[in-house]
Amino acid sequence: DTGVSQNPRHKITKRGQNVTFRCDPISEHNRLYWYRQTLGQGPEFLTYFQNEAQLEKSRLLSDRFSAERPKGSFSTLEIQRTEQGDSAMYLCASSSLTSGGLNTGELFFGEGSRLTVL
Amino acid sequence: AQSVSQHNHHVILSEAASLELGCNYSYGGTVNLFWYVQYPGQHLQLLLKYFSGDPLVKGIKGFEAEFIKSKFSFNLRKPSVQWSDTAEYFCAVNAGGGATNKLIFGTGTLLAVQP
Repeated sequence: DTGVSQNPRHKITKRGQNVTFRCDPISEHNRLYWYRQTLGQGPEFLTYFQNEAQLEKSRLLSDRFSAERPKGSFSTLEIQRTEQGDSAMYLCASSSLTSGGLNTGELFFGEGSRLTVL
Repeated sequence: AQSVSQHNHHVILSEAASLELGCNYSYGGTVNLFWYVQYPGQHLQLLLKYFSGDPLVKGIKGFEAEFIKSKFSFNLRKPSVQWSDTAEYFCAVNAGGGATNKLIFGTGTLLAVQP
């Protein structure tokens, strides 16, 4: 499967623990996005990278959240001192520019990592 | 701030019925518009998109959507639904001409098609 891969798929943790999610985008994609989705809501933008540069962060991304993409390939999203309100599905998506430098506009999503904080 | 409204949260239809899901966005400038679908147990995938040109766009599986700029709307339609269309449908907007691919999603519409 050459799609976007996320792991772990499910994580149950106790409040106050740290968790880390990993995303492997489609190999030729230079843009990578993190979204969060809670029950009954659509995906909410958290942050995005172009290559290794983190270009935008949402106000939803508190200081306890940190995302990295050190080599411009895979990315990690770490949540420190988890709270029950962090329980959600964390989605990763990737995209690329066309060869002409135009934006295709399409995001390719992974299946998500579901976090449950007890 | 940009926002997307989907008015139908839960729709139940019988097979062969026609479908129209509403989507309105708030942004006065250039927008790119999308409908994504999430089938049970699967990841989000693109159904169709509008960038420019013909405001009536056709997507996969017989879906189409019409961009009406004056109404800030991008409603999704299908003339005859099938049981396999049971899924959650999300409307999304990329404001500012698509420079970032940052999509703002609506809250989704859960469609259940009864055989």
